[in-house]
Amino acid sequence: GQNIDQPTEMTATEGAIVQINCTYQTSGFNGLFWYQQHAGEAPTFLSYNVLDGLEEKGRFSSFLSRSKGYSYLLLKELQMKDSASYLCAPNQAGTALIFGKGTTLSVSS
Amino acid sequence: DTGVSQNPRHKITKRGQNVTFRCDPISEHNRLYWYRQTLGQGPEFLTYFQNEAQLEKSRLLSDRFSAERPKGSFSTLEIQRTEQGDSAMYLCASSSSTGGTEGYTFGSGTRLTVV
Repeated sequence: GQNIDQPTEMTATEGAIVQINCTYQTSGFNGLFWYQQHAGEAPTFLSYNVLDGLEEKGRFSSFLSRSKGYSYLLLKELQMKDSASYLCAPNQAGTALIFGKGTTLSVSS
Repeated sequence: DTGVSQNPRHKITKRGQNVTFRCDPISEHNRLYWYRQTLGQGPEFLTYFQNEAQLEKSRLLSDRFSAERPKGSFSTLEIQRTEQGDSAMYLCASSSSTGGTEGYTFGSGTRLTVV
C-alpha cells in the first residue's frame, strides 16, 4: 500500500510564492506526479519527477527527494487562477496511480 | 484528438436503480483507468485496463460495480442497485502503456447523484 500526506488547505495572496509539500511511503517507487484540479473539472498534469532535485517549468517547480520520501510543488507569482486543488501522486511500478487527498489552495487579492 | 470523453456528464438516479457510464479514451492510449472522487478528496482508484484485459481492481470496487472494455477501446462502468453512498464524480483517464512522463489524461467525469 501507499501512504501519502499533504496539507488539506493553504491560503496565499496574489504575487506571493507558495510551497505545497507531500510526503509518501511506497514500495516500487517510480517517480512522482503533481496534478492541478480546478473545482468541478478534471485533474490536469503539472509535473513528473523521477530523479532527485528541482525541475522548473515556468512559474511552477517541483522537487523530489527519493531518500526522504518527500516532494514539493512551488508556485511563484501567484495568480487568482491558481486557486485549485493540487494532487500529489507517487508512481508505484506495476500499478495505477494512487492520489493524495489534495491540497486546496486559495489565492486572494 | 478530442481527448478523453465521458458520458453522460450528469446522472441522477433513484436508489436501487442500475446506471452505466461510458468512457472513450485517447485513441493511441492502451491503458484506461476508472476513479471515483467525492468532495474534498483526491481521486480514488477503482480499476484499470490494458487493452481489453482488466489488470487491477481496488477493494472499493464492490460486487455491485463492474467495468468492461470489450474491444480495448471504450469502456463502461456499471453500478447495480445504487446506494446513496455511490454519489460521487466518476473519472476516467487513459495513458500509454509506459505512462511515463506524460502521466494520465483525464476526462471531465460523470457526476452521479443517487436520491
